[in-house]
Amino acid sequence: DAEITQSPRHKITETGRQVTLACHQTWNHNNMFWYRQDLGHGLRLIHYSYGVQDTNKGEVSDGYSVSRSNTEDLPLTLESAASSQTSVYFCASSSGADTQYFGPGTRLTVL
Amino acid sequence: QKEVEQDPGPLSVPEGAIVSLNCTYSNSAFQYFMWYRQYSRKGPELLMYTYSSGNKEDGRFTAQVDKSSKYISLFIRDSQPSDSATYLCAMSRYNNNDMRFGAGTRLTVKP
Repeated sequence: DAEITQSPRHKITETGRQVTLACHQTWNHNNMFWYRQDLGHGLRLIHYSYGVQDTNKGEVSDGYSVSRSNTEDLPLTLESAASSQTSVYFCASSSGADTQYFGPGTRLTVL
Repeated sequence: QKEVEQDPGPLSVPEGAIVSLNCTYSNSAFQYFMWYRQYSRKGPELLMYTYSSGNKEDGRFTAQVDKSSKYISLFIRDSQPSDSATYLCAMSRYNNNDMRFGAGTRLTVKP
């Protein structure tokens, strides 16, 4: 069965370190998204990609970057982690014809 | 003002009750409306998907969209303890690549 996976599921890091969160989908979807979920804010879009070599900034992109070298993967990088980036991160993918399918999430703590 | 407003609750009801969950929005350009269910420490999963105004029913779940009032609702009939989760409303303008989410309502159904 097609799926979307994220790794690691939990991560603790220190302020100032670079962190990369992985997202892998086997749906063969062109569109991939990264969200963060914080209490009281719901899901907020960080970055998204409509295909290989395409990346776009979302609502809360400062301090984050993505790259898309193939259809299956969209890694999210925190260049210099800050405590304000402590959150739960969700990756999603879609074909564009219907809804987005979400991964299980990565819980990131920045100390 | 947020584009999508959703009462975070929490909402607690007895088993068998009818549950009403609601969202309001400010952007009249939204055309696609969705409800996601999110169990604790899991990713959101699509529950209902509607286009434009009207009602849609799927088993015990009914989604209503009133574009004139910028108001959407999700009704759960004969609620079950397994319905205990956070319910997120979401909406988009052109397709499912530009979704905006509500903050989510946490629902508990007590046996």
